[in-house]
Amino acid sequence: AQKVTQAQTEISVVEKEDVTLDCVYETRDTTYYLFWYKQPPSGELVFLIRRNSFDEQNEISGRYSWNFQKSTSSFNFTITASQVVDSAVYFCALSDLNSGGYQKVTFGIGTKLQVIP
Amino acid sequence: NAGVTQTPKFQVLKTGQSMTLQCAQDMNHEYMSWYRQDPGMGLRLIHYSVGAGITDQGEVPNGYNVSRSTTEDFPLRLLSAAPSQTSVYFCASSPARLATNEKLFFGSGTQLSVL
Repeated sequence: AQKVTQAQTEISVVEKEDVTLDCVYETRDTTYYLFWYKQPPSGELVFLIRRNSFDEQNEISGRYSWNFQKSTSSFNFTITASQVVDSAVYFCALSDLNSGGYQKVTFGIGTKLQVIP
Repeated sequence: NAGVTQTPKFQVLKTGQSMTLQCAQDMNHEYMSWYRQDPGMGLRLIHYSVGAGITDQGEVPNGYNVSRSTTEDFPLRLLSAAPSQTSVYFCASSPARLATNEKLFFGSGTQLSVL
């Protein structure tokens, strides 16, 4: 069965510190897709990044970087030099096929990040 | 650029009442879904649809009904509201039926309280 584990439920860091949010996934499919979404205090869900299972290239976007490792089934997210505006709940998600052959997107429970000024 | 529109934004119900949460998208997406968000539980899939007339259950379907008569609309019905259904509900859509690297497009959410 599909599963996404975000073991860190809450993290607090002081502004300008680096922080890594962990995500471990389980799937039987050989082709799948991974995502990170951000939910700021305003409540909307904001897409951050996607990654295909066949592309293990890491990605950097400004202060954000993502480390995808199939060998450990992990897709970790690092924020460098954190800012107060990074305070949010971050969700890792997995898209693969359910038993009916259709898309199923499974979310982790989320990691609440608080950046203290 | 409406995207995914959810109504209402807030709702208070009494136990036993019924109501429908509305969701509409204007992107001609095949895939639509409903999630509920609860503290410590993340986003859990309630029901999903891969096209008009095709719906299926997700992880937590009990107490909810859905139908998909058009591509645009995917309403979620609470037949007899219970306090356990107090939650924030999100509707989401995607262009693809199959596993895909297409992101989900989310509505702004409905905060539902059942007293």
